[in-house]
Amino acid sequence: IVMTQSPDSLAVSLGERATINCKSSQSVLYTSNNKNYIAWYQQKPGQPPKLLIYWTSSRESGVPDRFSGSGSGTDFTLTISSLQAEDVATYYCQQYYNSPPEWTFGQGTKVEIK
Amino acid sequence: EVQLVESGGGVVHSGGSLRLSCVASGFTLRSNWMYWVRQAPGKGLVWVSRIKNDDGSETTYADSVKGRFTISRDNAKNTLYLQMNTLRDDDTAVYYCVRGGHASGDLWGQGTLVTVSS
Repeated sequence: IVMTQSPDSLAVSLGERATINCKSSQSVLYTSNNKNYIAWYQQKPGQPPKLLIYWTSSRESGVPDRFSGSGSGTDFTLTISSLQAEDVATYYCQQYYNSPPEWTFGQGTKVEIK
Repeated sequence: EVQLVESGGGVVHSGGSLRLSCVASGFTLRSNWMYWVRQAPGKGLVWVSRIKNDDGSETTYADSVKGRFTISRDNAKNTLYLQMNTLRDDDTAVYYCVRGGHASGDLWGQGTLVTVSS
């Protein structure tokens, strides 16, 4: 499964909405449990990735509620409702539906302040 | 504190070997699926290998490392390993140890840099 994110980079004003899209080359919906096997990560320079969202829309503990995920099938979105300075980072989507390979990631979207 | 700490990276010549270690603290490593993910300089994330949470006999590998890399763990030491043989220039990357949680990666180590020079 190939994961394609858009855009590659995004500049948003503080307090404005940021939207990142992720498209999978095939459906990642597991019909037996009705779950889409998609996660989102945030990676700041010099740091490891941090899990933000799993099962498409479940927020990891401690993640601010301005981060939300949505979508189904092959099209997914990460939304930052009100961009903060600390949100400057690269964001990756990931599928964990198909094995092998266990995981495949999108190419990343770099979010900056306008 | 719940954390993963990798070590063992360094500079190695093409064709050489390295063994990466990842010590888990605050949780029992054998209770979780564990992964290695790498990131070449300035590039994205690439899954490398996975070991299941049972007796550790089931492992999987990316095609690019199959036959050259071996994932294993020592339950007594709560440590995950990645033995890397026949290293190539394109294996140069930061290697992250990752705990499987919610079927994705809920805990990442800080990473260890492997540089393969020809």
